[in-house]
Amino acid sequence: NAGVTQTPKFRILKIGQSMTLQCTQDMNHNYMYWYRQDPGMGLKLIYYSVGAGITDKGEVPNGYNVSRSTTEDFPLRLELAAPSQTSVYFCASSGGQGETQYFGPGTRLLVL
Amino acid sequence: GEDVEQSLFLSVREGDSSVINCTYTDSSSTYLYWYKQEPGAGLQLLTYIFSNMDMKQDQRLTVLLNKKDKHLSLRIADTQTGDSAIYFCAEIHTGGFKTIFGAGTRLFVKA
Repeated sequence: NAGVTQTPKFRILKIGQSMTLQCTQDMNHNYMYWYRQDPGMGLKLIYYSVGAGITDKGEVPNGYNVSRSTTEDFPLRLELAAPSQTSVYFCASSGGQGETQYFGPGTRLLVL
Repeated sequence: GEDVEQSLFLSVREGDSSVINCTYTDSSSTYLYWYKQEPGAGLQLLTYIFSNMDMKQDQRLTVLLNKKDKHLSLRIADTQTGDSAIYFCAEIHTGGFKTIFGAGTRLFVKA
């Protein structure tokens, strides 16, 4: 199993541009999550999904959108990039509520 | 509100024991985790403890939980240079989808 994979690893965006961060897991997990990690900080939950077709907001959802059309994929969309969205983004998945989360390697995003 | 706090830095000599501490505020937490993050990598689950346990040992790792004081610690015995990383404490409670992470403790291991 590859586990949780994320692409791209690194991206530079100009203010106002849009992009999609990809996340795929091959563990047949129902639960998937998107976090952002700012320097010297812990992880903040952006959005999560409990299954295909179901998504919900986390702590810091503003400026982001998600979709979950399949169990495997959970892309994160930034529509109008802002410097405040400069961060490292981690995708994670788990088998169920309260179960261990497995993390992808992260996407480092710089908005200039 | 929910909060998880950790000290930011810890420096130890190779071969010594490391103790990383964490305090949390949510008394309904049922799972408490320790994750390790190496440079440029994602978070890797090290170990976890259920809230009805006081201690868990896994090879060089010992987790101690003091529910009264809401204090969690991770002890790494015989610390090696490969243990240098950021260690995150995290909590989640039954019925919650949100895992609350601390800011992470950066462990430096001196040879």
